[in-house]
Amino acid sequence: EAQVTQNPRYLITVTGKKLTVTCSQNMNHEYMSWYRQDPGLGLRQIYYSMNVEVTDKGDVPEGYKVSRKEKRNFPLILESPSPNQTSLYFCASRGLAGVRTGELFFGEGSRLTVL
Amino acid sequence: GQQLNQSPQSMFIQEGEDVSMNCTSSSIFNTWLWYKQDPGEGPVLLIALYKAGELTSNGRLTAQFGITRKDSFLNISASIPSDVGIYFCAGQTLNGNQFYFGTGTSLTVIP
Repeated sequence: EAQVTQNPRYLITVTGKKLTVTCSQNMNHEYMSWYRQDPGLGLRQIYYSMNVEVTDKGDVPEGYKVSRKEKRNFPLILESPSPNQTSLYFCASRGLAGVRTGELFFGEGSRLTVL
Repeated sequence: GQQLNQSPQSMFIQEGEDVSMNCTSSSIFNTWLWYKQDPGEGPVLLIALYKAGELTSNGRLTAQFGITRKDSFLNISASIPSDVGIYFCAGQTLNGNQFYFGTGTSLTVIP
């Protein structure tokens, strides 16, 4: 089954304790991205990657890092989480070949609470 | 970042009624997409639009890519209870690298 898998789905942590949210896709997609979803603000892009070792900032990259060492994985790293990073996070991927390249496939989300 | 204005913010309708929602942007987009999100899940693609003026249907759903490339609408005909959820529009930038989302329309269908 084609899917984007995120872990953990739920996490409560404390300010300053480094954490990583993993994302993996099995569709051989080149493009992967991270979003955060906050009430009244919709989804906002944090980082995206066009392919292995190619990453770029989205609209709200502050406080986050990413890496793309393998095509299927795109982890989101919070080096020193703060309470304003409490949010629902989504990973998404899409293929870059062919006509229908605008279709993003989303994971089920990771709800993060920073105390 | 770019802002997508999505309206209405919420809708309460009777089962069987038609629904219409729209998105406008200050910028041109290459692609417009409509997603539905159920509680506790990620957004799922409903319809993708790739050409200005394009009108596309998916069952009871119909969406159009505005001729100016700055807007799109989604219609749902003969609503049913399982249509309940939050609907998001999204625009893909011309270089294809970024996606911007509307703030969502929460739909409640009363049986």
